[in-house]
Amino acid sequence: EAQVTQNPRYLITVTGKKLTVTCSQNMNHEYMSWYRQDPGLGLRQIYYSMNVEVTDKGDVPEGYKVSRKEKRNFPLILESPSPNQTSLYFCASSFRDHTDTQYFGPGTRLTVL
Amino acid sequence: GENVEQHPSTLSVQEGDSAVIKCTYSDSASNYFPWYKQELGKRPQLIIDIRSNVGEKKDQRIAVTLNKTAKHFSLHITETQPEDSAVYFCAASGSNNAGNMLTFGGGTRLMVKP
Repeated sequence: EAQVTQNPRYLITVTGKKLTVTCSQNMNHEYMSWYRQDPGLGLRQIYYSMNVEVTDKGDVPEGYKVSRKEKRNFPLILESPSPNQTSLYFCASSFRDHTDTQYFGPGTRLTVL
Repeated sequence: GENVEQHPSTLSVQEGDSAVIKCTYSDSASNYFPWYKQELGKRPQLIIDIRSNVGEKKDQRIAVTLNKTAKHFSLHITETQPEDSAVYFCAASGSNNAGNMLTFGGGTRLMVKP
């Protein structure tokens, strides 16, 4: 089954404790991205990747890191989480670029205390 | 960069009525405009999209119109049904200068009353 998976689905952590949210797709998509969703603000793009070893900043990259060592995986790293990073996070992938249909993962609800 | 504004933030209609959601964008070079639907507790899913070389596109009860001069585009849902209740997001793709990314509007919560 073609899908985008994220782990964990729910996470409660404390300020400053490094964490990684994994994202994997099995559709051989080139483009992958991370969004955060906050009430009234829609979906805001954090980082995106056009292909392996090619990443770029989105609208809200501060406090986040990503890597794309393999085509299928695109982890999101919060090296020192803060309470303002409490949000719902979605990973997405598409065939080639941002103008192709974005397939979203199930979401990760993160709470930073 | 690109800025997308979406109105209204909430919309309540009676089953069978039409619903219209409007978005404006700032970057005149934007050329791709998708609409995503997010049901409660679920992930966003593409429902329809339009590119700048087309003025209107329809798919059954859903249509999207684009006015490049005014820099706005709209989602039209006819004969609404309770299962249309969801949050709808518009988005616009920035020009190459803005990177290969989508900018989303703030979302519209549509409620269809039976």
